[in-house]
Amino acid sequence: DGGITQSPKYLFRKEGQNVTLSCEQNLNHDAMYWYRQDPGQGLRLIYYSQIVNDFQKGDIAEGYSVSREKKESFPLTVTSAQKNPTAFYLCASSARGGPSYNEQFFGPGTRLTVL
Amino acid sequence: AQKITQTQPGMFVQEKEAVTLDCTYDTSDPSYGLFWYKQPSSGEMIFLIYQGSYDQQNATEGRYSLNFQKARKSANLVISASQLGDSAMYFCAMMNTGGGNKLTFGTGTQLKVEL
Repeated sequence: DGGITQSPKYLFRKEGQNVTLSCEQNLNHDAMYWYRQDPGQGLRLIYYSQIVNDFQKGDIAEGYSVSREKKESFPLTVTSAQKNPTAFYLCASSARGGPSYNEQFFGPGTRLTVL
Repeated sequence: AQKITQTQPGMFVQEKEAVTLDCTYDTSDPSYGLFWYKQPSSGEMIFLIYQGSYDQQNATEGRYSLNFQKARKSANLVISASQLGDSAMYFCAMMNTGGGNKLTFGTGTQLKVEL
């Protein structure tokens, strides 16, 4: 089945530790995105990538880092510099932008709790 | 800057009734796309419906329709014949050209369908 997988579903880490969230897609999409969702809030964009080996900061990139070495993978690292890392993290992908708008497909999310 | 406003934090509707979820947006771009997503308690984001800024007709997808009023900058979601399974969080989002297909989300409306 085509889709986006995120692992793990729940993640617990101690304060001060870096943690990497996995996102894999087999939809052959060029573009991938990371969003953060806090309770009762909408999604906010952390980073996005439109093509392999290229990515851009979103609205709340501070304290996060990403890589895009393969088309199907877009891991997100939450560093110790992120002041409030506890949140729900959603990964998405879409066909690359053109004259029309492309729906973003979302993964099931990872709920990160920093103790 | 783009902004999405959803003024209804929570809504109740009786099963089989229709319900309208409000969404207003702000953008200076002449070309944009408007999306509605559903987020059940499990957390995944499910695409419901899309409206392009140049589309002449309101979008419809099964029981979902989008009441697009461009002059008022509103894009309300109408769900007809509500079902218990429609209980979820609903997000309105906007995408602009030249922005890497990034989505800007509203804060969402929690819909509860009652017997």
